[in-house]
Amino acid sequence: DTAVSQTPKYLVTQMGNDKSIKCEQNLGHDTMYWYKQDSKKFLKIMFSYNNKELIINETVPNRFSPKSPDKAHLNLHINSLELGDSAVYFCASSDRIPPQNIQYFGAGTRLSVL
Amino acid sequence: GENVEQHPSTLSVQEGDSAVIKCTYSDSASNYFPWYKQELGKGPQLIIDIRSNVGEKKDQRIAVTLNKTAKHFSLHITETQPEDSAVYFCAASKGFGNEKLTFGTGTRLTIIP
Repeated sequence: DTAVSQTPKYLVTQMGNDKSIKCEQNLGHDTMYWYKQDSKKFLKIMFSYNNKELIINETVPNRFSPKSPDKAHLNLHINSLELGDSAVYFCASSDRIPPQNIQYFGAGTRLSVL
Repeated sequence: GENVEQHPSTLSVQEGDSAVIKCTYSDSASNYFPWYKQELGKGPQLIIDIRSNVGEKKDQRIAVTLNKTAKHFSLHITETQPEDSAVYFCAASKGFGNEKLTFGTGTRLTIIP
């Protein structure tokens, strides 16, 4: 069983479209994250939710809207896609057991905006 | 905010030799330092981590050292094998209650058979 699963794995779309990426974790974790990895492999956090509440929101354009229907799911909806949104998006989850924060990552969704 | 620098960006070593990757961080409040390995087409996977009250941690061929005064930490891989080839990321966070992970820029490690 995959611990953190994302769908779709690949997403190719035209500029201006709206798309969603889904993430589910079966680890029983309370906290989930979205990261963006650009073409140079740089990983940067976008959002974090704890028990369906937003706790981290980096300076991400408001075209990106995360939605957490329950603590096992954190979906990412992107409006009016732009060329610069092309990247690999990773979902992650953690159990927030102090003092460390071990995050488990999904396999990623490669988004290509044409 | 936290800034994590990682060097080198690429590293090639002969199979069986050791590899060392170094990171520095800027925020002295950071107290948790994980290392992630990312294989081609996969998500990052935790391989080892260290907390600020520990100077060194070892797990088989992998070890991490932390120098809090100098604000740097390093990953050491001994007896490298072809399956060690991947991109490695260091990261830093302030631990529980402030779990945001700030990642380094990654090191592409290639093991030459």
